[in-house]
Amino acid sequence: EPEVTQTPSHQVTQMGQEVILRCVPISNHLYFYWYRQILGQKVEFLVSFYNNEISEKSEIFDDQFSVERPDGSNFTLKIRSTKLEDSAMYFCASSRTGVVTGELFFGEGSRLTVL
Amino acid sequence: GEDVEQSLFLSVREGDSSVINCTYTDSSSTYLYWYKQEPGAGLQLLTYIFSNMDMKQDQRLTVLLNKKDKHLSLRIADTQTGDSAIYFCAESPNFYGGSQGNLIFGKGTKLSVKP
Repeated sequence: EPEVTQTPSHQVTQMGQEVILRCVPISNHLYFYWYRQILGQKVEFLVSFYNNEISEKSEIFDDQFSVERPDGSNFTLKIRSTKLEDSAMYFCASSRTGVVTGELFFGEGSRLTVL
Repeated sequence: GEDVEQSLFLSVREGDSSVINCTYTDSSSTYLYWYKQEPGAGLQLLTYIFSNMDMKQDQRLTVLLNKKDKHLSLRIADTQTGDSAIYFCAESPNFYGGSQGNLIFGKGTKLSVKP
């Protein structure tokens, strides 16, 4: 069964360093998303991406965040200069049709720890 | 702003029914969802309900929606140990406003099933 894969599963980084989280969405999907979950908190929407551009983003997704689909298969989230509060589980998701039936397929997540 | 609330823990005995409750604030939500997260895995869509429905049944799962009280519940009949997971309630506000995936999640209810 097709699935969304994310790498790395866990990354530890120093504050101020750049981090790139990678995702391979399901191959025939057109809509891509990043969500995050700080420990003990809710799963929060960061950004959605369609037709090679950001279609929607939340207040969390400020200038230190960027997304890219560099080669037609990978979908990356870059955090330019990490802060302690960026420590969270980051989930990538993809969808064939967008939020028509809420059928977002999620990856297993990348845990980011900022020291 | 939009908010989704759910209790954090639920413990049941195998074979009993589980009822996980959720309240939401956005009356314009078109779809409401239940996602399941097993340990080490991503979020998996369990079921969803359209806002003009009161109930949806899918095998052991029954979703009840009280739109007046903005209350959503998920009932799992004959709960099994394999149902142990975290269950997330989510809403999709402003779908007809063009949202591309801005799901609002609750914190998740951890269901523990005792043999």
